[in-house]
Amino acid sequence: EAQVTQNPRYLITVTGKKLTVTCSQNMNHEYMSWYRQDPGLGLRQIYYSMNVEVTDKGDVPEGYKVSRKEKRNFPLILESPSPNQTSLYFCAAGSDEKLFFGSGTQLSVL
Amino acid sequence: GESVGLHLPTLSVQEGDNSIINCAYSNSASDYFIWYKQESGKGPQFIIDIRSNMDKRQGQRVTVLLNKTVKHLSLQIAATQPGDSAVYFCAEIRAYKYIFGTGTRLKVLA
Repeated sequence: EAQVTQNPRYLITVTGKKLTVTCSQNMNHEYMSWYRQDPGLGLRQIYYSMNVEVTDKGDVPEGYKVSRKEKRNFPLILESPSPNQTSLYFCAAGSDEKLFFGSGTQLSVL
Repeated sequence: GESVGLHLPTLSVQEGDNSIINCAYSNSASDYFIWYKQESGKGPQFIIDIRSNMDKRQGQRVTVLLNKTVKHLSLQIAATQPGDSAVYFCAEIRAYKYIFGTGTRLKVLA
């Protein structure tokens, strides 16, 4: 079954404590990306990757880092989380521009 | 505070009736469009897509119509069922640049 898997599903942390949200896909897609979803704003792209070792900023990259050392994994790193990064995060993967999403990670930064 | 998400446009439809959800897109250069369904607490789920060289595409119980002249996209759901209750949003794509709408909440009345 084609899947995009994110972990953890829920995360509560405190300001400044580094965290990583993992994302993996089993579909061999070249393209992967991270989004955050906030009420009334729709999905906003944080970072994307067209292939291994190729990453680029999306619309709201500040405060985030990513890496793409292998095709299947695309972790999202928050080096020093702040309360304004409280949001619902989605990882997505796709080919030919058809995007498939993970189930989401609800992050709360206190 | 009040969640802006509660103010999503809402379409209420009687079970068994047809639903039509609309989306106005912004970039006349967008050449690919996707409709997603997002149930509460879940990630966006791919429903149907259409390329700009088409004006209609049909799936199982769903039809997407594209009017490039007025930059309008619609999703038609036939014989709406309780399981169709969700937020539906469109995405416009060009060269892996995605722009997502904020969505319409579909409520199916028994």
